[in-house]
Amino acid sequence: QLQLQESGPGLVKPSETLSLTCTVSGGSITSDDYYWAWIRQPPGKGPEWIGHIFYIGTTYYNPSLTSRLTISVDTSKNQFSLKLSSVTAADTAVYYCAKRRAGFNSWYFDLWGRGTLVSVSS
Amino acid sequence: QSALTQPASMSGSPGQSITISCTGTSSDIGDYNFVSWYQQHPGKAPKLMIYEVSHRPSGVSNRFSGSKSGNTASLTISGLQAEDEADYYCSSYTRSNTLCLFGTGTKVTVL
Repeated sequence: QLQLQESGPGLVKPSETLSLTCTVSGGSITSDDYYWAWIRQPPGKGPEWIGHIFYIGTTYYNPSLTSRLTISVDTSKNQFSLKLSSVTAADTAVYYCAKRRAGFNSWYFDLWGRGTLVSVSS
Repeated sequence: QSALTQPASMSGSPGQSITISCTGTSSDIGDYNFVSWYQQHPGKAPKLMIYEVSHRPSGVSNRFSGSKSGNTASLTISGLQAEDEADYYCSSYTRSNTLCLFGTGTKVTVL
């Protein structure tokens, strides 16, 4: 059974880079059937799609974050990662990794990790 | 592009039905059947309840149903149960370069 688990620092200083990794277990990240996504949810607010990646490296980013965002994949470790640079307090959120089916018709996320809270503070 | 609009809160007694609305535009809900709904209990990750407007994933109760009319999508919970108390979020594809929007969220309280 496929599972996702986020990992990374829970506290990041302003202007620094937020780095998170999602480990995929119970299946291969190299499946042609899935995209691997990052979604965040600020405290008390709704989720926000950050972006997603296909295992060959094709990426799709939320344009509001593009200038600061890198999503990458490491197929040897069955992991994908998020890097968000120049963070501010507005980037404080629970960050989730998630899975969606590949293809234009499948804009929904059917598996989520448990999420990890990242706070931006000095 | 801003989030999809949902009522902040709704409530109902056990056994009743409630319908949560999600209002978008012709660039998202109005033109595409790519609406999904998520249930989120406190401190937990969102759980997919409805996809492609009205399809239920395996394991989701048939008390949950989805529909769409024009620029507004709806989630109906029939036979309300205590375990349905949670936050609910809609989501839609958008042809704007944002690609994916979520709703503002609705807190459902079972009285």
